[in-house]
Amino acid sequence: DAKTTQPTSMDCAEGRAANLPCNHSTISGNEYVYWYRQIHSQGPQYIIHGLKNNETNEMASLIITEDRKSSTLILPHATLRDTAVYYCIVRVEGNQGGKLIFGQGTELSVKP
Amino acid sequence: DVKVTQSSRYLVKRTGEKVFLECVQDMDHENMFWYRQDPGLGLRLIYFSYDVKMKEKGDIPEGYSVSREKKERFSLILESASTNQTSMYLCASSSYNGQGNIQYFGAGTRLSVL
Repeated sequence: DAKTTQPTSMDCAEGRAANLPCNHSTISGNEYVYWYRQIHSQGPQYIIHGLKNNETNEMASLIITEDRKSSTLILPHATLRDTAVYYCIVRVEGNQGGKLIFGQGTELSVKP
Repeated sequence: DVKVTQSSRYLVKRTGEKVFLECVQDMDHENMFWYRQDPGLGLRLIYFSYDVKMKEKGDIPEGYSVSREKKERFSLILESASTNQTSMYLCASSSYNGQGNIQYFGAGTRLSVL
């Protein structure tokens, strides 16, 4: 699996967009970018994933650069409940999955 | 919505006790996983299963066993609990339809072994 690099922490004002970057410069052509988050004392939660096109769902948007070496997760209108650690993971898509390797992630604090 | 339910949120056991952690998912997922999470060490995979009665060792299986008698249920067993097994235990499930990396997690069981 390709290695990812994320900032340790970020702050965001409530109601504003939160833009969380992830570097994955060694990503292979068949590896997807997955985003999860973990709210304090809860299990991780899947957010979104993509290969090369931008993706959007009810939770967030994922922007992947054309060279696929980096991506940005966008929470369009952050709320206090979005305070969590956000993890970027790069993996080949597969049936059986296997262990997810969560790095240090980005601790996002949404402030009133 | 996918629901993964872990039987207990908090558990306190004594050294040497046999401990059962239960996990049930309601989405007919083939894959199920047990992780433990410790500060500074991230999530580590203990065991996983791709089908009923099948199991595969993860990175840290020592001191643990698992059971998958029904598709929806995956149990983690600590044969003789030790203090170094004090941790947060997380169960997850995923589908076998090419989306194996989208894992749905339970709320976790915080186990303390005294």
